[in-house]
Amino acid sequence: GQQVMQIPQYQHVQEGEDFTTYCNSSTTLSNIQWYKQRPGGHPVFLIQLVKSGEVKKQKRLTFQFGEAKKNSSLHITATQTTDVGTYFCAGPGSNYQLIWGAGTKLIIKP
Amino acid sequence: DTAVSQTPKYLVTQMGNDKSIKCEQNLGHDTMYWYKQDSKKFLKIMFSYNNKELIINETVPNRFSPKSPDKAHLNLHINSLELGDSAVYFCASSQEGRVAEAFFGQGTRLTVV
Repeated sequence: GQQVMQIPQYQHVQEGEDFTTYCNSSTTLSNIQWYKQRPGGHPVFLIQLVKSGEVKKQKRLTFQFGEAKKNSSLHITATQTTDVGTYFCAGPGSNYQLIWGAGTKLIIKP
Repeated sequence: DTAVSQTPKYLVTQMGNDKSIKCEQNLGHDTMYWYKQDSKKFLKIMFSYNNKELIINETVPNRFSPKSPDKAHLNLHINSLELGDSAVYFCASSQEGRVAEAFFGQGTRLTVV
C-alpha cells in the first residue's frame, strides 16, 4: 500500500543549530502537508505544498516539495527552544484519508 | 471558540469496560476522523467519515465503533477495553477530505488498567 517514510525518527541539536526532516512517498502526491505537535499537544497544520519544486518559507522554516512530487523536506535554521516538538509530513491517500509519516522529534540539547 | 473539541481530555478505566469519547467541530467541515497515537507518536488513522460514508481502517478491531449523529459530531465508542487500547485518541476534521488541512482536537489520553 501507499507509504510515506519520514527520517530521522529523532534529532538532537544544540540550540542555534539547524534541523532537517525528510519525507519520501512511494507514490506521486498531489500535495504534501506539514504539521507540528508540541509535547503534550495536538498536531497543528503548518503548511501545504502543491507545485512541483515548490519552496515556501515561514520565518526560520523552509519547506520544499521535490520535482517529482514524491519527496519533501522541512529545514529549520538556528533552532530555538520553541521549535521543540514532533514534525509530521502527510500526503493524500485513498478515500478521504491522509497518509502520515512517522514524525521526527526535535530535541534541543541543554 | 474551540474549532474541534473532544471530551474527556483524560480517561482512566478498567479492562473490560465500555467507554465513549465525544467530538464536535464547529468549522462546518464535511469530513471527520479518529486517530490513535501510540507512545512512539505514530499517528494511525482509525476512521474517516464524509457525508455519511464511513471508511474504516481494516486493522481497527470491531470493538471500536464511530457514531455520527450529525455532520458536526463524530463520537468514538469502545467496547471491552484492553490494555493495548491505552493511547492518545485524536479527533480531526477537514473541509475537503484528504486534500485540505486537518484541524485536530486536544486529544483524549486513555489509560486502561
